[in-house]
Amino acid sequence: GAGVSQSPRYKVAKRGQDVALRCDPISGHVSLFWYQQALGQGPEFLTYFQNEAQLDKSGLPSDRFFAERPEGSVSTLKIQRTQQEDSAVYLCASSLSPDTQYFGPGTRLTVL
Amino acid sequence: GESVGLHLPTLSVQEGDNSIINCAYSNSASDYFIWYKQESGKGPQFIIDIRSNMDKRQGQRVTVLLNKTVKHLSLQIAATQPGDSAVYFCAEIGLDTGFQKLVFGTGTRLLVSP
Repeated sequence: GAGVSQSPRYKVAKRGQDVALRCDPISGHVSLFWYQQALGQGPEFLTYFQNEAQLDKSGLPSDRFFAERPEGSVSTLKIQRTQQEDSAVYLCASSLSPDTQYFGPGTRLTVL
Repeated sequence: GESVGLHLPTLSVQEGDNSIINCAYSNSASDYFIWYKQESGKGPQFIIDIRSNMDKRQGQRVTVLLNKTVKHLSLQIAATQPGDSAVYFCAEIGLDTGFQKLVFGTGTRLLVSP
């Protein structure tokens, strides 16, 4: 595809459920980033991959958040035992150079 | 921690006017400053960036100014059009974070009236 794609675009979960969010980066982009965007706020860094290696996960809010990129392409962000405070838009970005990150449309997660 | 922020949460202009969106940053170690445009339901879209060793950079209808003395960044949009209506974020990235993570401000909403 021409850009970063994410699925699902919208996800509603009951508190306590596990969710999995998918990101398909731009083909050939080595770097992949996950950000969390609360309503009315700027995106906040969660984690970063270079190929399949997760080089920085300092932004993950708790051990309920887990990200993987096993083959260095598609990435999945998993949230276990979702809480209401997890409600946000989760953005994925990919890049060839860090100062130019291309963002996907995001997945809006609502936890009831 | 270090962060970037914005002075004005909402800016309303008339079509054809020039728009100026401002941003203050606090991390002196930032190497790049980037402006993103985010339309409703979409991810942030790269507009223009500027390196810390520059004062000004121009793109198509946009100009970014960097004042390192007062740690201030601005985005100027010439002849603003209704399609420019969106939320604009400034972001920074630097060697201190390994050029890995963008640090965003809270955003300014630009409303362009026809």
